[in-house]
Amino acid sequence: KNQVEQSPQSLIILEGKNCTLQCNYTVSPFSNLRWYKQDTGRGPVSLTIMTFSENTKSNGRYTATLDADTKQSSLHITASQLSDSASYICVVSAPYSGGGADGLTFGKGTHLIIHP
Amino acid sequence: GAGVSQSPSNKVTEKGKDVELRCDPISGHTALYWYRQSLGQGLEFLIYFQGNSAPDKSGLPSDRFSAERTGGSVSTLTIQRTQQEDSAVYLCASSLANRDRGQGYTFGSGTRLTVV
Repeated sequence: KNQVEQSPQSLIILEGKNCTLQCNYTVSPFSNLRWYKQDTGRGPVSLTIMTFSENTKSNGRYTATLDADTKQSSLHITASQLSDSASYICVVSAPYSGGGADGLTFGKGTHLIIHP
Repeated sequence: GAGVSQSPSNKVTEKGKDVELRCDPISGHTALYWYRQSLGQGLEFLIYFQGNSAPDKSGLPSDRFSAERTGGSVSTLTIQRTQQEDSAVYLCASSLANRDRGQGYTFGSGTRLTVV
């Protein structure tokens, strides 16, 4: 069964500090891996998307890494800001085969709180 | 419109009543998806529309759930005889075409449904 496990479940850090969120998956075959940020009361917003051949991608203070061999990804946030407080969701995509389940497997997210 | 629009943003209904949730995708996006996000859980796929093709309904949890998409644009998710376990945030997303390529997959802000 395809699964995406995220850790930690929740994390509290002080403003200005760095943090790293983890994502382990068992999805196979693999198409791409995405990180989303979901603010409270809002829909998820894409931060990065990586295919099999990419092992790092940055979006401002967010840097995602991917190790397709160990099926692990991380999202590193540098110099955190209060606005980074949100849930961060890891989503792994399998090639859509049609006529069956959706090709995306969602993690339950890491709830990040930034304290001033 | 500029983004995916969902209405209402919040809905409180009595157990046993029917509800309709609406999604307005980004103009020109041929693919539309509905997801359910329960407290502490990852996003759960419900249904996928692609152009004029028959929808992929494989994620609908029971026959109380149905969805339609009129004119290839606006979609309505209907839940009949609502139960308390239907309480969740219902998210809609749209994209240009093949989501495996991550083509502009954009979420709406969701409808928070509470069944009392």
